[in-house]
Amino acid sequence: NAGVTQTPKFQVLKTGQSMTLQCAQDMNHEYMSWYRQDPGMGLRLIHYSVGAGITDQGEVPNGYNVSRSTTEDFPLRLLSAAPSQTSVYFCASSPPGDYGYTFGSGTRLTVV
Amino acid sequence: GESVGLHLPTLSVQEGDNSIINCAYSNSASDYFIWYKQESGKGPQFIIDIRSNMDKRQGQRVTVLLNKTVKHLSLQIAATQPGDSAVYFCAEGFKAGTALIFGKGTTLSVSS
Repeated sequence: NAGVTQTPKFQVLKTGQSMTLQCAQDMNHEYMSWYRQDPGMGLRLIHYSVGAGITDQGEVPNGYNVSRSTTEDFPLRLLSAAPSQTSVYFCASSPPGDYGYTFGSGTRLTVV
Repeated sequence: GESVGLHLPTLSVQEGDNSIINCAYSNSASDYFIWYKQESGKGPQFIIDIRSNMDKRQGQRVTVLLNKTVKHLSLQIAATQPGDSAVYFCAEGFKAGTALIFGKGTTLSVSS
């Protein structure tokens, strides 16, 4: 039982490049979310999903896309990376009706 | 014990002291509150939660207090240990399964 797995752990992108941050969970959790963490800003919600095929925007969705084709996976796409997207990204999941999110170990992204 | 008022970014205590970390939440409709601990280089880890119909809940060495009148949440750690050194976040949710909204976090430093 791996929990929430994020890949890659580290990534450096050039401005304008695109990439996908992967998130997978093996706990059969319905609910999944993406957060970004910046110094002094805490964790800010980017997008979340309450089940396969259903996604919604959080506090800071601009510049990011998500899709949820399976229960297990919730990838986060950066279409055209910008230096302002330099951050640590966390994926989290929880069972339905439960607030207690389990977090992955994060992806540290640097955009130069 | 050492305590802080409304959110301060850092708290330094001696080993064995009691620590109190405070948090002001934003949404009066929130009905669920969680405290997370984040160690360096890791994702947030669940500590304790409390529902809005409660004003106190105790765990192992930790107690969460909720004051809905002033929208204030606190985490008390008894007999603080060096292993408690981390960043502590409060989070609020107003509907199970929707994503949590996090506060900015308090860095707890424990010296021996």
